[in-house]
Amino acid sequence: RKEVEQDPGPFNVPEGATVAFNCTYSNSASQSFFWYRQDCRKEPKLLMSVYSSGNEDGRFTAQLNRASQYISLLIRDSKLSDSATYLCVVKYRNFGNEKLTFGTGTRLTIIP
Amino acid sequence: GAGVSQSPSNKVTEKGKDVELRCDPISGHTALYWYRQSLGQGLEFLIYFQGNSAPDKSGLPSDRFSAERTGGSVSTLTIQRTQQEDSAVYLCASSLKGLNQPQHFGDGTRLSIL
Repeated sequence: RKEVEQDPGPFNVPEGATVAFNCTYSNSASQSFFWYRQDCRKEPKLLMSVYSSGNEDGRFTAQLNRASQYISLLIRDSKLSDSATYLCVVKYRNFGNEKLTFGTGTRLTIIP
Repeated sequence: GAGVSQSPSNKVTEKGKDVELRCDPISGHTALYWYRQSLGQGLEFLIYFQGNSAPDKSGLPSDRFSAERTGGSVSTLTIQRTQQEDSAVYLCASSLKGLNQPQHFGDGTRLSIL
C-alpha cells in the first residue's frame, strides 16, 4: 500500500461546480498535511496547509480526519484557472528527520 | 522576496557525461530537499538536508547521484555518467525547520540525456 494515495482522476468538472477530492495516508505518525497544486510543466505551489479543525481559504476548504486517516479538499464555484493537478502532502518525523511524502496527484480539468 | 532559485533551467547533455545542478534556497531556510519528476509521474524524493545534520540520502537511486550543501545554503546535485533514464525535471525545495512548515519549490532544472 502506498504511504499516500490519491485518485488520479481525471476529474472533468463544469465551471461553477463544486468538486472534492480525498487523500488517504497510511502512517498514523503523520502530523502535518498540505495541499499543493501543480500546473503542467511547472513546479508544485503551496495551496494551503490543513489544520486539525479544518480551514478555509476563499473558495477552498481543507479537512482532516485523523481517525480515518484522510484529508480532503473542496473547491467551490470552480474557475477555469483551477485546472491543475492537486498534490496531497504528508509530513512526519522519522528518527529526527522531517520526512514528506507526496501523493501522485489528482488531475482536475474545469470545462467552460 | 526571492524564492528558491535553480540553475540551469534546462540542460541537454550526452549520455555518459557528468552534470551538476544548483539550488539556492530561500534565505534562512534550514531544510533543503531534492526531488525528481519524470514526465507525467509523481515526485520522487532524492535527498534531504537539515542544518548541519547528516543528510538523508535514502532516496538517491544509485551511487552515480550525490549532493552536497556548502555552508548550510547552496546545494549542488551531481549526476555522474548520466544515463537516458536520468532525464527528468529535478526540483529543489526549501523550508524552515518544523513539521508545520511547508516547502517552497524552485522552478526546476529540466535535464535531457541524449
